Amino acid sequence: DQQVKQNSPSLSVQEGRISILNCDYTNSMFDYFLWYKKYPAEGPTFLISISSIKDKNEDGRFTVFLNKSAKHLSLHIVPSQPGDSAVYFCAASEDDKIIFGKGTRLHILP
Amino acid sequence: GAGVSQSPSNKVTEKGKDVELRCDPISGHTALYWYRQSLGQGLEFLIYFQGNSAPDKSGLPSDRFSAERTGGSVSTLTIQRTQQEDSAVYLCASSPQTASYGYTFGSGTRLTVV
Repeated sequence: DQQVKQNSPSLSVQEGRISILNCDYTNSMFDYFLWYKKYPAEGPTFLISISSIKDKNEDGRFTVFLNKSAKHLSLHIVPSQPGDSAVYFCAASEDDKIIFGKGTRLHILP
Repeated sequence: GAGVSQSPSNKVTEKGKDVELRCDPISGHTALYWYRQSLGQGLEFLIYFQGNSAPDKSGLPSDRFSAERTGGSVSTLTIQRTQQEDSAVYLCASSPQTASYGYTFGSGTRLTVV
């Protein structure tokens, strides 16, 4: 059973528009939520995180929203740029371990 | 070192052979994690070390998998009698203290069992 779910395997967005990546989770004990970005042949790199006591965290073009009642979080990228094309992993931490979703492949179209 | 270093970057092995994968974490990082990513799958947790001890081995898929960490630094993941389903990218990550600080990942070892 997946505790962190990314239901969209892929997403295509026009350059300059907003990219919205979604994630659902089942475990209400998660204390931090994170987003990682992965390019081919590289390890995932940390992008942004949010504590379970917050509902929004913003860092430049990236904003993460957390809706605890719905057990849902989303990553907004605006404006989307060609270099944003990558696989994005949603993750959640509990007891010193991070659990990852299966990832969403984002394609930024010219 | 500046980042998490994993070796080898690629490994092709025959079914039934043993393999050893190495991870050098960032200096001073006490927490070390092993994950694997199979084709089309997410990152599957394998094992976590805090210092030299492994409080969570729950993700190891079978008793053919083992890992150790010495000196609170380098870790090795050993897979005995490899099977084709072991083919995956094995990723190591380290963290200063706990997971909430976020991990720094290495580039991974791509293991292919033929």
